[in-house]
Amino acid sequence: AQSVTQLDSHVSVSEGTPVLLRCNYSSSYSPSLFWYVQHPNKGLQLLLKYTSAATLVKGINGFEAEFKKSETSFHLTKPSAHMSDAAEYFCVVTDNFGNEKLTFGTGTRLTIIP
Amino acid sequence: NAGVMQNPRHLVRRRGQEARLRCSPMKGHSHVYWYRQLPEEGLKFMVYLQKENIIDESGMPKERFSAEFPKEGPSILRIQQVVRGDSAAYFCASSPLSRSDTGELFFGEGSRLTVL
Repeated sequence: AQSVTQLDSHVSVSEGTPVLLRCNYSSSYSPSLFWYVQHPNKGLQLLLKYTSAATLVKGINGFEAEFKKSETSFHLTKPSAHMSDAAEYFCVVTDNFGNEKLTFGTGTRLTIIP
Repeated sequence: NAGVMQNPRHLVRRRGQEARLRCSPMKGHSHVYWYRQLPEEGLKFMVYLQKENIIDESGMPKERFSAEFPKEGPSILRIQQVVRGDSAAYFCASSPLSRSDTGELFFGEGSRLTVL
């Protein structure tokens, strides 16, 4: 079984300040983890993915995430927020044993304050 | 290279009508997935198809919902006798190989169904 918990449903930060979106996961097997971003009325775009290689993963638009097995966490960070980062962010988990289903968190809505 | 194309983008139906949502995967992709997003929720897996085969439909409601991915043409998600609870955004995703091989799905912009 696999599950993912996004600890904050809403996060607000000022433009130019750091972003931290938290995600904890549960997986019976070695997991793959993803962060997707969804802008209003748009589809989902992959930000980054972890698939058992380097634990610090760099993605698009300056985002990165660190896989911490001991904490079962995969938090998303960015050093400096930009107005265009305002969107919904989904943490996603799946195990790597032929499981085709992605399990999505409930999402974190990121608001950027000018 | 066009992305995953879904249509219609918006669909309004009255209770009891049928809804058909279409998805054309990215060129070269033979694996299609449908997900449903209810308001204020994350996406929930519905069904995984390859050409002419349903591989996993464990997320599909037992009644009124069906999906196909024919040899030619787009994948179709069909909802018969729609009810208000079917109102949601339906997302299609595709991949060139199985997701567990590639690690990534490519999503369309979704079809938003409103049932009056």
